[in-house]
Amino acid sequence: TQLLEQSPQFLSIQEGENLTVYCNSSSVFSSLQWYRQEPGEGPVLLVTVVTGGEVKKLKRLTFQFGDARKDSSLHITAAQPGDTGLYLCAGDSNSGYALNFGKGTSLLVTP
Amino acid sequence: DTGVSQDPRHKITKRGQNVTFRCDPISEHNRLYWYRQTLGQGPEFLTYFQNEAQLEKSRLLSDRFSAERPKGSFSTLEIQRTEQGDSAMYLCASSETGTVYEQYFGPGTRLTVT
Repeated sequence: TQLLEQSPQFLSIQEGENLTVYCNSSSVFSSLQWYRQEPGEGPVLLVTVVTGGEVKKLKRLTFQFGDARKDSSLHITAAQPGDTGLYLCAGDSNSGYALNFGKGTSLLVTP
Repeated sequence: DTGVSQDPRHKITKRGQNVTFRCDPISEHNRLYWYRQTLGQGPEFLTYFQNEAQLEKSRLLSDRFSAERPKGSFSTLEIQRTEQGDSAMYLCASSETGTVYEQYFGPGTRLTVT
């Protein structure tokens, strides 16, 4: 199993602050996905990164895939309460179909 | 909305009872996955269908678990003789053939075994 470690595990910030969360592994991935999950709901796909060094932007969210395709980061600018949720990273497994997930970063943004 | 749907959203059952969950994938997606998520963990892979064929089952899926996808459309996950350790969120996802790892999840079924 290719393990994905996410940090920090919990993050509580005030509205307007910037933050970065990390997803690290010792394994190389052909692609990596970021999801956001709200309590009692399923994960919602935010982005897929496939090329080493790739940067993708989704409004105030910036995703980066490491050059060696072993790690990724998610940066949120000017966080808003609506950004609150569990951010999960997931990478392809050796199976060719199953996703391996990290444990997630639980983000709380207070007004 | 043509996203992945799951039914029921919540299920409370007594230990020893059988339960069945349903998943309707995105209509043009031929790949369907079941995952299980417990508190404080990310989703863990259970099983995978390509069209109607079940191609892989995780070791997490004991003999009490069975999944079907008749005619390659909706899927069902049945748990027989439920145990308290089966309490979890059961998630269904689907994807297209060309983008296997871009998996779109349903809202999940929260199972509580008392």
